[in-house]
Amino acid sequence: SYELTQPPSVSVSPGQTARITCFADALTKQYAYWYQQKPGQAPILLIYKDNERPSGIPERFSGSSSGSTVTLTISGVQAEDEGDYYCQSADSSGPWIFGGGTKLTVL
Amino acid sequence: EAQLVESGGGLVKAGGSLRLSCDASGFSFSTYSLNWIRQAPGRGLEWVASISTTGDYIYYADSLKGRFTISRDNMNNSVFLQVDSLRVEDTAVYYCVRFLAGIGAFDLWGQGTAVTVSS
Repeated sequence: SYELTQPPSVSVSPGQTARITCFADALTKQYAYWYQQKPGQAPILLIYKDNERPSGIPERFSGSSSGSTVTLTISGVQAEDEGDYYCQSADSSGPWIFGGGTKLTVL
Repeated sequence: EAQLVESGGGLVKAGGSLRLSCDASGFSFSTYSLNWIRQAPGRGLEWVASISTTGDYIYYADSLKGRFTISRDNMNNSVFLQVDSLRVEDTAVYYCVRFLAGIGAFDLWGQGTAVTVSS
């Protein structure tokens, strides 16, 4: 099996751009997905298939991929974006695995 | 409105068993595969098990095989997770999660049911 590696924390001021990365060798072949979890709440789907946004998700959330790294970008960060963000992909022995999560702090 | 509501969590001693339930409403239950995903206190998400639309295909996380059993009842729009030989490290919130095959993502999550295993 493999792991998805995320930075433990990212801090950004309101209105700035936050970038959260997720690295794993298998991502060159598998799609990545992103979930947002606010304190005391269940996760919600933010991005699917690397860069697609479900209906209802604000346009300031976007995803991209380059080689073994996928990135969640939050443009014009708002205070309400504070929370934990998880990447997820498929594991050949899995079928599903999650990254360790990144805590986004809005300063 | 589509929703998933879990129940069955609680406090149990190590070695005991629990049966978690998840009741679905607001969508065509039998056309979706369902999953259980757990989150230990202060930790990240861990996929536990998956069951196909008819129950013919079932998958478990390698580390959990043998103690966890997922099942579903399409007549009553419910999915279950039987957990046996509980360990302290099984303490977590257990989420029932719908998988949307068209986009390959977990698109609908319940609010979770908390399981606490004491020694």
